[in-house]
Order: sequence, then structure tokens, then C-alpha cells
Amino acid sequence: TQLLEQSPQFLSIQEGENLTVYCNSSSVFSSLQWYRQEPGEGPVLLVTVVTGGEVKKLKRLTFQFGDARKDSSLHITAAQPGDTGLYLCAGEAGVHGGSQGNLIFGKGTKLSVKP
Amino acid sequence: DTGVSQDPRHKITKRGQNVTFRCDPISEHNRLYWYRQTLGQGPEFLTYFQNEAQLEKSRLLSDRFSAERPKGSFSTLEIQRTEQGDSAMYLCASSLPPSGSTDTQYFGPGTRLTVL
Repeated sequence: TQLLEQSPQFLSIQEGENLTVYCNSSSVFSSLQWYRQEPGEGPVLLVTVVTGGEVKKLKRLTFQFGDARKDSSLHITAAQPGDTGLYLCAGEAGVHGGSQGNLIFGKGTKLSVKP
Repeated sequence: DTGVSQDPRHKITKRGQNVTFRCDPISEHNRLYWYRQTLGQGPEFLTYFQNEAQLEKSRLLSDRFSAERPKGSFSTLEIQRTEQGDSAMYLCASSLPPSGSTDTQYFGPGTRLTVL
């Protein structure tokens, strides 16, 4: 069974601080996606990482895919109150290295950035 | 707004009643997914369609659940004889997977179901 474990589950920080969220698995994923979800809304895609070792930047957010494609991290620099939300990582379910199409999600990291 | 719409946004029902949710995907997208999200959890896959064909169903989808996509456009998810454990956010996503590349799914705002 493919599982994604996210840590920490909750994170409360002050505006201006840096933070890192982790997404780990014992399974290899063909790609990992990071979403942000506001209360009462659907997840919104932030980034997709595909290649082992890949690093992608989105303004103050830096995403990294592990060399073995089993883990990923999201680093936020100088967090702002607008970054508050639930951050979810997701990988494409697969059998024998192929993709079944549906996504497997971690439980998410609930981030609160206080002004 | 991702372009995926869901209706209704909220539904409150009594245990034992039937409910039906609708999802309208992005118009050119041929894949449509249903997920369920309970409090404190990430979304869990229920089922997906490629055009009008239902290709995959999770074991979470009990026989009280049925999904359709009759013309390969909008989809409906029906829950019969609702139970309190069905209370959750039901999310729909759509995609147009490019050949040999990653399938990017765009999510709707969800339907929040509360079963009393």
C-alpha cells in the first residue's frame, strides 16, 4: 500500500519566520504534487515535481523532490499571514511503476502564520 | 476559481435519506475524479472516469454509493441511505492527461455533506 506521511501535522509561527514541511514515503512515486487548501474550499495545485533531485521555486516557496523519488519537502521563507492554510502533498498511485491516475494524499500540514 | 464547479456547496440531510451531488469539470477535460475528505485528513480517492467509462473504484465506495458520467461531461455522485459516517467534504477533480506526462488534477470547491 502506498502511503504518504507528512510532518509536522500542525505548525504555528510568527510572520517572517522560515519553515519546512516534509512528505515521506517508503514507495517510489512517478511525481509528487503539493496543494494548498483553505477551509471550506478544494485543494489548489502549487507545484508538481517529477525528476529525482528536482528543485522548484515559486516566489518564497521552494519545493524539492528526493533523489529516490520517495520524499519531498516544502520550504517557505519569511512566512506571511497569507501563507496560512493546509498544505497537502500527493502522489500518483501506481502499480509496478505505472500510474493508475488517482492521487494518494498525505494528511496535510496545517500552517498558521501570526502577524 | 479552477473552472471545476460543484453543486450544492453544502448539504444537510437526515440519516437514511438519499443525496446526489453534481460536478461540472473543465470542459475539455476527459478525466473526472471523486474524492472524499474527512476532518483532519487528506482527500481519499473514491472513483474516476475517463470520458463516460468508470475505470477505477476504491473499496471505500460501498454499494450505497454510485457515480455516473453519462455523456462524458458532468458527473453525479449519489449516496443512498446516508449514514452519519458519510459526513465529509466530497471533492471532484478533472484533468486532461498529456501523453507520457504527469496528470495534473484541478479540484472543485467541494460539497460539504452533514448527516444528522
